[in-house]
Order: sequence, then C-alpha cells, then structure tokens
Amino acid sequence: DTGVSQNPRHKITKRGQNVTFRCDPISEHNRLYWYRQTLGQGPEFLTYFQNEAQLEKSRLLSDRFSAERPKGSFSTLEIQRTEQGDSAMYLCASSLEISGRFTGELFFGEGSRLTVL
Amino acid sequence: TQLLEQSPQFLSIQEGENLTVYCNSSSVFSSLQWYRQEPGEGPVLLVTVVTGGEVKKLKRLTFQFGDARKDSSLHITAAQPGDTGLYLCAGGADDYKLSFGAGTTVTVRA
Repeated sequence: DTGVSQNPRHKITKRGQNVTFRCDPISEHNRLYWYRQTLGQGPEFLTYFQNEAQLEKSRLLSDRFSAERPKGSFSTLEIQRTEQGDSAMYLCASSLEISGRFTGELFFGEGSRLTVL
Repeated sequence: TQLLEQSPQFLSIQEGENLTVYCNSSSVFSSLQWYRQEPGEGPVLLVTVVTGGEVKKLKRLTFQFGDARKDSSLHITAAQPGDTGLYLCAGGADDYKLSFGAGTTVTVRA
C-alpha cells in the first residue's frame, strides 16, 4: 500500500456545477477524515468516519456538502451547486485508532485542488 | 478560529543558519503534532509530543512540548534547502479532531 490516494488531483468547474472527490485510505486504517485548506491557512476539519459511520460534521460543512464511506473503505466528498468560496484544497487523511485513544497521527493524501470559476 | 497560533508566519534564512518556530495556545492538549507540507502536497507527520516538558530530536530537528502542554517549539539546526516547507502544529480536540495552526512558511536559501 502506497498511502492515502485522492483523485482527481485538480478540478476546475463553473459555479453551480456539482463535483465529487474520492479518497482511498490506507487499507487497515479505521478512521477517515476530510479537511479543507485555503491559501495561508492550516487545514480545517470537515468530517470524519469511524469505519462506515460518519460521526461528526463541522459547521463548515453546509447542506451542499455530503460525504460517504459506504463500505468502510474508500470515501467520497460531493459538493453540490459549487460556489467560488468552495475553491480550496480538499485533503483526506486516515488513521488507525485503537483502544479509543486519539493519537492525532494522521496520514494525509496529496489533496484535491478545487477551483470554482 | 484557530486554537493554535504559530509564529512567525514567514521565515527566510540562509543555508546553514538555525531557526525556531513557535506554536502557542490557551488550551491544554493531551498531545501535539508537527507536520510539514510542501506546495501542492498533503501534510506529512514529523513528530508527536505527549508529555509536558518533553523534548524529541529528529536528526537536525528538535521539538519541545511546554511544561503546561499549551505550547511547543520546533528548532532546526544548520538548515538546508530541503527543509523548505510549511510547518504546521496541530493539537487533538474532542478525541477525534485535529486542530491546526495556520503554519509557518520556511524558506531556506542555498
């Protein structure tokens, strides 16, 4: 396994269109996270999954955003009716959390850069 | 709102010089991570510090966790151009969420 894989790496779309990003985590990792990063800022938490269950969503995740992890493996992040403010790098990360203790040690993918015109 | 404040925001130094980057918070963290991110890539974990006062060394990088577990520093000795990147500190919150600082952009000139 070569790590967390994200695609597409770059997406340019027109305002109002829908986009979907895919993340393939490290295979044995049970947690999967989505973060968003804009220029000059650190990554901001969007949502996370424990296996297939989506356990938390940030206020940043408006109702135009939806994330799934149907079989507890890969995940998709869909943005409907994109707005220019959605332009950002969307980062996926995975981790192996055991015994309920959060280690904070995330393995990030290379990100999917979204540009909304 | 960032829980973690990093300083300086930008740092440009000559190869061979030393540098220190700071990460401060009003919150106590059970652990704190340092990540490095290169342009167009995702962050890569460098180290985790857990115990107050802990010092960890990774080759020319020295990481320190404050006694009160609210702050941390990263010191690089004899910086090289390969050290160029965005250095991010992050702290765990709510047992699942990692909160990041805005980062320090380090440029090491050859």
